[in-house]
Amino acid sequence: AQKITQTQPGMFVQEKEAVTLDCTYDTSDPSYGLFWYKQPSSGEMIFLIYQGSYDQQNATEGRYSLNFQKARKSANLVISASQLGDSAMYFCAMRASGATNKLIFGTGTLLAVQP
Amino acid sequence: DTGVSQDPRHKITKRGQNVTFRCDPISEHNRLYWYRQTLGQGPEFLTYFQNEAQLEKSRLLSDRFSAERPKGSFSTLEIQRTEQGDSAMYLCASSYTRLNTEAFFGQGTRLTVV
Repeated sequence: AQKITQTQPGMFVQEKEAVTLDCTYDTSDPSYGLFWYKQPSSGEMIFLIYQGSYDQQNATEGRYSLNFQKARKSANLVISASQLGDSAMYFCAMRASGATNKLIFGTGTLLAVQP
Repeated sequence: DTGVSQDPRHKITKRGQNVTFRCDPISEHNRLYWYRQTLGQGPEFLTYFQNEAQLEKSRLLSDRFSAERPKGSFSTLEIQRTEQGDSAMYLCASSYTRLNTEAFFGQGTRLTVV
């Protein structure tokens, strides 16, 4: 069965510092996609970054980068130069097997950026 | 605003009542998803539409739940005879057909059953 595990319920980081949010996944499919979403208190899920299983390089999007370690089945999100507006829930997700492209989410990590 | 729109944003209802939520996806997206998110959890898949066809339903979608997407545009999710356990955030998402594209989510409808 496919599964996403996020073991950090909450994290603190000082403003302007970098933070790593952990994500491990389990799948037997050779082809899969991994996503990170941010959910502020307003509720909307905001797409941050995507990593395909066959991508040779780690994905980067501005201050976000994904540390993809295929052999360890981990896809950690790194946020550089944290800002107060980064305070939110962060969810790691995997595209499920099959044709629907539905997502399987982890339980999330609540990030608090301190001034 | 060309994002995914959900209505209402909040709904409080008495146990046993029926409720209906609406989702307007991004206009050119043919894929539409409904997810449910309970407190402290990530979203869980409920159902999927490709155009107007409902192609997959989760076992979470009991007989009291029904979803439609007439003409492949907006979608509605109806819950009949609501129960307290239905209290959750209901999220709608849409995407293109291409494999590696992300899904865009609406702001959700928060349902409270009292």
